[in-house]
Amino acid sequence: DIQMTQSPSSLSASVGDRVTITCQASQDIKIYLNWYQQKPGKAPKLLIYDASNLKVGVPSRFSGSGSGTEFTFTISSLQPEDIATYYCQQYDNLPPQGTFGQGTRLDIK
Amino acid sequence: EVQLVESGGGLVQPGGALRLSCAASGFTFSSYEMNWVRQAQGKGLEWVSFISGSGSVIHYADSVKGRFTISRDNAKNSLFLQMNSLRAEDTAIYYCTRDWNDHWGQGTLVLVSS
Repeated sequence: DIQMTQSPSSLSASVGDRVTITCQASQDIKIYLNWYQQKPGKAPKLLIYDASNLKVGVPSRFSGSGSGTEFTFTISSLQPEDIATYYCQQYDNLPPQGTFGQGTRLDIK
Repeated sequence: EVQLVESGGGLVQPGGALRLSCAASGFTFSSYEMNWVRQAQGKGLEWVSFISGSGSVIHYADSVKGRFTISRDNAKNSLFLQMNSLRAEDTAIYYCTRDWNDHWGQGTLVLVSS
């Protein structure tokens, strides 16, 4: 099975900072990677699909990049409403499975 | 508007069974793969099971294989998760998701405890 290693596990940053989270896959997953945001008590929301595509309606300060085994999620200018836990997830269809990273808890410094 | 509404969660004793349901609306249900994802309190997300649009392809996480069964009724726009031989470690919020999680339900809580 494919394993996902996400780092850091937690992060404190100031409003306006650039924030970066990384995810490493244990084998080549091409671009089959999503990024999610989860606020306390809420269901997760998809932000980025296929490694770098922004879901419609998601602010442009969020972005994703990478392919193969190394992926990056970036918030270009942190806003107070971005306080949440962020997860990466690889998805594969042979066989269908979807492994999540451990999550990154982001808060305001 | 895409809507996914889970139901069927509750308190069950270890070794017991529950059947979760997910009512889908706002899209052509039969055209989409569906998944179940769970989250124990204070923990991360765990993918549980996948089913193709026709129901012909099904896959499970190793942690639930042999105990859980995913199914769907495309005529009723519904997704199901039959959970048998439940264990304390199955305690979690269970989410129904469309495709590879582009939409999520609000979740239903399963508590396995004596």
